Amino acid sequence: KQEVTQIPAALSVPEGENLVLNCSFTDSAIYNLQWFRQDPGKGLTSLLLIQSSQREQTSGRLNASLDKSSGRSTLYIAASQPGDSATYLCAVRPVDSSYKLIFGSGTRLLVRP
Amino acid sequence: SAVISQKPSRDICQRGTSLTIQCQVDSQVTMMFWYRQQPGQSLTLIATANQGSEATYESGFVIDKFPISRPNLTFSTLTVSNMSPEDSSIYLCSDTSGLGGRETQYFGPGTRLLVL
Repeated sequence: KQEVTQIPAALSVPEGENLVLNCSFTDSAIYNLQWFRQDPGKGLTSLLLIQSSQREQTSGRLNASLDKSSGRSTLYIAASQPGDSATYLCAVRPVDSSYKLIFGSGTRLLVRP
Repeated sequence: SAVISQKPSRDICQRGTSLTIQCQVDSQVTMMFWYRQQPGQSLTLIATANQGSEATYESGFVIDKFPISRPNLTFSTLTVSNMSPEDSSIYLCSDTSGLGGRETQYFGPGTRLLVL
C-alpha cells in the first residue's frame, strides 16, 4: 500500500532563505508526482508535476526533483518570501490507480518578514 | 486548465441533516473526483464521479453516506447524508487534465462543513 510522508511537518524561516521540503513514498511504481500549495481555508493550487521519467521540473523560484528509485522528491524554494507561507502537499499517482492521488500530510511553511 | 467552482463555500449544519455540494467545471472533463480533508489532516479520496454510471467509491466510503451524481461532463454533486460532527471537513472536487502520465489534477476552492 502506497504511503506518502512529508518532512518536516512545519517550518519557519526568515525571508530570503532558500529552503527544501521533502516528500518520500514507499512504492516507486508511480505515474507522476505533483506538488500543491494550500492557503488557509482554501483549495489546492497545482505547482509542479513531474512525470515518472523526469528528474526535475522548474517554475520560477520553485524546483522539484524526483528520484523514483529511492522514493523521494524535494521541492526547492529559492529566495523565500512571506507570500510563500502556506501548506505544501505532495501527491503521487500510483500506476495501479485510476488517476487517484495519494497525498502526504503536508509541510506548513511560515516565511517571516 | 479547467476552472472549478463549488457551492456552498461553507456551511454549518445540524446533526442528522444532509448537505449537497455542487461542483461546476468550465469545460468538459472526463474525470471528476471528490476528496475530503478532515481538520489537520491531508486529503483522502472519497470517490470518482463517473458520467453516466455510478460513482466508484474508495475503501471506507459508501454510496448511502456519500451519494454522488454526475449528470454531464461539467457538473457533479456530492451529498453528505445523515451528518454527524465527524463529517466536519473540507470537501473538495477536482478534475484531471492531460494524458500519458502528464495528468495534472486541479482542485476547486473547497466547501468547509461544520456539523454541530
